[in-house]
Amino acid sequence: EGQLLQSGGGLIQPGGSLRLSCTASGFTPSRHDMMWVRQPPGKGLEWVSVVYGGGHITSYADSVRGRFSISRDDSKQTLSLQMSGLRVEDTAMYYCAKDRYGSIWGQGALVTVSS
Amino acid sequence: DIVMTQSPDSLAVSLGETATINCKSSQTVLLNSNNLDYLAWFQQKPGQPPRLLIYWASTRESGVPDRFSGSGSGTDFSLSISSLQAEDVAVYYCHQYHTSPYTFGRGTKLEIK
Repeated sequence: EGQLLQSGGGLIQPGGSLRLSCTASGFTPSRHDMMWVRQPPGKGLEWVSVVYGGGHITSYADSVRGRFSISRDDSKQTLSLQMSGLRVEDTAMYYCAKDRYGSIWGQGALVTVSS
Repeated sequence: DIVMTQSPDSLAVSLGETATINCKSSQTVLLNSNNLDYLAWFQQKPGQPPRLLIYWASTRESGVPDRFSGSGSGTDFSLSISSLQAEDVAVYYCHQYHTSPYTFGRGTKLEIK
């Protein structure tokens, strides 16, 4: 069925940069849409970005466009989210997920943006 | 953007009874070319990632009990949980994956009465 294992996250100052990674096992990420979803503490789910399967076309939420960049390394079965210009309001648990309908989710990585 | 409106915000149901959660999209999530509704339902328990329950509005994910069912089409959808069990206490989200930016409802908190 597959699994997603996340790494990255941590405490970062406003304006800083951070990279999240998500490594897939049991399936081939390049054949699926892969997305990032975040959840601020105590709040609901917010879709962040997607890279479509079969290529490298991407899409972003308005709140992160121009600051975040999603990518996929097919040789390493890895999905990444490069975050720059981080803001306090980017503080959240970040999840990677397989397919646009979220068939498999990573365990999450907490990003805290604070001075 | 497609706005997903869930109701109610919270719900208390007795054990063994049926819970129903509604989700309305501001635009259709039905793709006419394949007659599929791009609508999913998730269950999330504290400290855990979301768990997929239903996709294509009514297709139950493998391993999900048949007490969970999804219905609706176009802009109006429902998730029903019959024979409610204590383990069903969670927050439930609807999600449209028809048009980017893909969006979620605000969630419905389900408790036991």
